[in-house]
Amino acid sequence: DAGVIQSPRHEVTEMGQEVTLRCKPISGHNSLFWYRQTMMRGLELLIYFNNNVPIDDSGMPEDRFSAKMPNASFSTLKIQPSEPRDSAVYFCASSPSREQFFGPGTRLTVL
Amino acid sequence: GEDVEQSLFLSVREGDSSVINCTYTDSSSTYLYWYKQEPGAGLQLLTYIFSNMDMKQDQRLTVLLNKKDKHLSLRIADTQTGDSAIYFCAESMDSSYKLIFGSGTRLLVRP
Repeated sequence: DAGVIQSPRHEVTEMGQEVTLRCKPISGHNSLFWYRQTMMRGLELLIYFNNNVPIDDSGMPEDRFSAKMPNASFSTLKIQPSEPRDSAVYFCASSPSREQFFGPGTRLTVL
Repeated sequence: GEDVEQSLFLSVREGDSSVINCTYTDSSSTYLYWYKQEPGAGLQLLTYIFSNMDMKQDQRLTVLLNKKDKHLSLRIADTQTGDSAIYFCAESMDSSYKLIFGSGTRLLVRP
């Protein structure tokens, strides 16, 4: 099994640009999670899906952030417009039940 | 409310045992986890314990849970330089798949 796949691994963009982060969960896992990690705030859950349906999006910072899961094998996290304070590592994780398996992350830098 | 606390740093000599501690505030926590994060990588699930257990052992790892004091510990026997990483404690409730993470303990293993 390839594990959770995220792309891109690194993204550098300018303030105001749209950023799309992608995630392919482990096949057969029915829950998917998006996290953000920064030095100041640690690991924060942004949103999670169960069976492709958003269950808890209370961690999404503001309307500039949106996430979709059109099918069981793909999810996106979009930031539009991006701001320098969005710079962080964004992790996707998937889960068959209680254990969460993390992807390698996308390091986003907004200049 | 939910809160998970860990000490920030631990340094041990190679071959010694390491004990990483964690406290949590929510008495309804049902599952407690330990994750390991190496530089530039995602989080790797090491082990987890149900709240009805006091101890769980897996090779060099021993997890101890004191529900009365809401205290969780991870003991690593015969610590190796490859164990140097950040270790995160996390909790979740039976009613949710959401994980609440501590701020992480950076373990440094000295040769």
